[in-house]
Amino acid sequence: GNSVTQMEGPVTLSEEAFLTINCTYTATGYPSLFWYVQYPGEGLQLLLKATKADDKGSNKGFEATYRKETTSFHLEKGSVQVSDSAVYFCALTGGSYIPTFGRGTSLIVHP
Amino acid sequence: DAGVIQSPRHEVTEMGQEVTLRCKPISGHDYLFWYRQTMMRGLELLIYFNNNVPIDDSGMPEDRFSAKMPNASFSTLKIQPSEPRDSAVYFCASSLRASGRTDTQYFGPGTRLTVL
Repeated sequence: GNSVTQMEGPVTLSEEAFLTINCTYTATGYPSLFWYVQYPGEGLQLLLKATKADDKGSNKGFEATYRKETTSFHLEKGSVQVSDSAVYFCALTGGSYIPTFGRGTSLIVHP
Repeated sequence: DAGVIQSPRHEVTEMGQEVTLRCKPISGHDYLFWYRQTMMRGLELLIYFNNNVPIDDSGMPEDRFSAKMPNASFSTLKIQPSEPRDSAVYFCASSLRASGRTDTQYFGPGTRLTVL
């Protein structure tokens, strides 16, 4: 079956630091890949997505590239802000109509 | 569009009581999902519907849980009787089908359930 593995958190950074959150996946065929963000007290919301190999999704300064050869979709941001503090979920859909989510990675950004 | 709407936002009840959570998906979306989120178990899929029909309820923890979708704009998740271990945040999400799979999930704000 499908699976998503993302790095354990929390990730703690100072403001303006570089962020990487690793995500690798196992899936049959060619899944669509997503990053969702969950702010405290809210539901998950889409941050970015990519639907085919070598596509780069980007939004709000965050980027992730669909790497089929390494089955990865790592999330990056060049300079994080305190307002980026949240939980980030990597996810995929493909092979079935049931999406597969990672466990989530908590990001804490200090001023 | 107002997005996915859930009610109530918070529910506090006593063990043994019936609890009903409600969800209105985004108009036009043909998939609806119910999730439960806890610190211990993370985000768990409970059940999903396609065009109002339940497709997979294998994530429903036990017979105390039931879900219905009487029409395209309304779904309920019921717990009867409730137990303290049911305390969690329950999310409803809707999506469209795209190229043989579901596309972006649109989540509601969640219902925080506390069972005393």
